[in-house]
Amino acid sequence: DTGVSQNPRHKITKRGQNVTFRCDPISEHNRLYWYRQTLGQGPEFLTYFQNEAQLEKSRLLSDRFSAERPKGSFSTLEIQRTEQGDSAMYLCATHPLAQGRNQPQHFGDGTRLSIL
Amino acid sequence: AQTVTQSQPEMSVQEAETVTLSCTYDTSESDYYLFWYKQPPSRQMILVIRQEAYKQQNATENRFSVNFQKAAKSFSLKISDSQLGDAAMYFCAYGFDDMRFGAGTRLTVKP
Repeated sequence: DTGVSQNPRHKITKRGQNVTFRCDPISEHNRLYWYRQTLGQGPEFLTYFQNEAQLEKSRLLSDRFSAERPKGSFSTLEIQRTEQGDSAMYLCATHPLAQGRNQPQHFGDGTRLSIL
Repeated sequence: AQTVTQSQPEMSVQEAETVTLSCTYDTSESDYYLFWYKQPPSRQMILVIRQEAYKQQNATENRFSVNFQKAAKSFSLKISDSQLGDAAMYFCAYGFDDMRFGAGTRLTVKP
């Protein structure tokens, strides 16, 4: 069983640059979630998709953040004009909604973003 | 808005002993899901145990069990016969789609 895959594992960039992260879900998991986790804190929900539809995006941190899931499979999270405060771990999780809401979300290893 | 509070930033337990991690939450909903996730150092988050609010019976998974007190909005995790591999960050989480997590409890297991 292939788990949730996130790439890259670590991204280092200069302030002001744009970054994009990718998440490949477990096959047939139609729900996909993005979270941000800062040091010493729990994950913070950002947005989620059901197939290609983005069902909630009001919790994205600012208009510099955007996410897509164009074909209902992999998803990308983009941060434009990065700031120091964007340094964090970005987690992707997926869920097999058809199996019921009592099933857990499955998390990837995350992408750690470091802003210089 | 729903909030999740873990009041113990760090806990320590002796190997083979029992430890309880606390979690409280705030919600106005009557039906919801609660989860405990484990995050080992530099590794992915994995589910430990889950509880559906409409079920009065406390969930149990091998050495892990919960004490779910719906009226008190409390959801504590008990780990019995602690093992070295249990050392990790433990997060309590509420909800489903926009899941809310607590700040976590770092559990250390002493040999």
